[in-house]
Amino acid sequence: AAGVIQSPRHLIKEKRETATLKCYPIPRHDTVYWYQQGPGQDPQFLISFYEKMQSDKGSIPDRFSAQQFSDYHSELNMSSLELGDSALYFCASSLRDGYYEQYFGPGTRLTVT
Amino acid sequence: AQSVAQPEDQVNVAEGNPLTVKCTYSVSGNPYLFWYVQYPNRGLQFLLKYITGDNLVKGSYGFEAEFNKSQTSFHLKKPSALVSDSALYFCAVRDGADKLIFGTGTRLQVFP
Repeated sequence: AAGVIQSPRHLIKEKRETATLKCYPIPRHDTVYWYQQGPGQDPQFLISFYEKMQSDKGSIPDRFSAQQFSDYHSELNMSSLELGDSALYFCASSLRDGYYEQYFGPGTRLTVT
Repeated sequence: AQSVAQPEDQVNVAEGNPLTVKCTYSVSGNPYLFWYVQYPNRGLQFLLKYITGDNLVKGSYGFEAEFNKSQTSFHLKKPSALVSDSALYFCAVRDGADKLIFGTGTRLQVFP
């Protein structure tokens, strides 16, 4: 079965640089979620999109922005990177109607040096 | 606010023995609870969920969880542990329409 695809899998950036993370949801899923998992921590919700509109917002820094495109893929844009942004960034997708589980991608490991 | 707690950082069990990973919840309204497993350098894999209905929920890889409203618990169980079950387990509760709130995780170590 098709899974959530994230690219790149690994990314190394320097402080103050920008990064773009991409997410391709499972076909027919209409909702995309972004989570951040710091070292040794639980995943923290950042933002979600339903049918290309922002649906919910969590603890996402103002330096970060995201969007969902017409083909349902999503991108997380991160600017003015800080050392503390080093983390695993997960994208998940699901169907919105009902109480469907979220399916997670393999994650992008971002290292800021 | 919705929250879940996983009181054990690590659980050790011998292969073939039953395992339990504990989770308690605090929610307003009906709880929508989930268990996920994370292997090293991998994403989170869905195991099972409780939305409504039977208190015993069966999931993937032989795992099950028991929803207990009076004790506000949703413990993950498996009758016979495998070494390959060794991983990080997260309990989560749905908050609002979208977000999952995760517990701090429990590392399960199954010894041969």
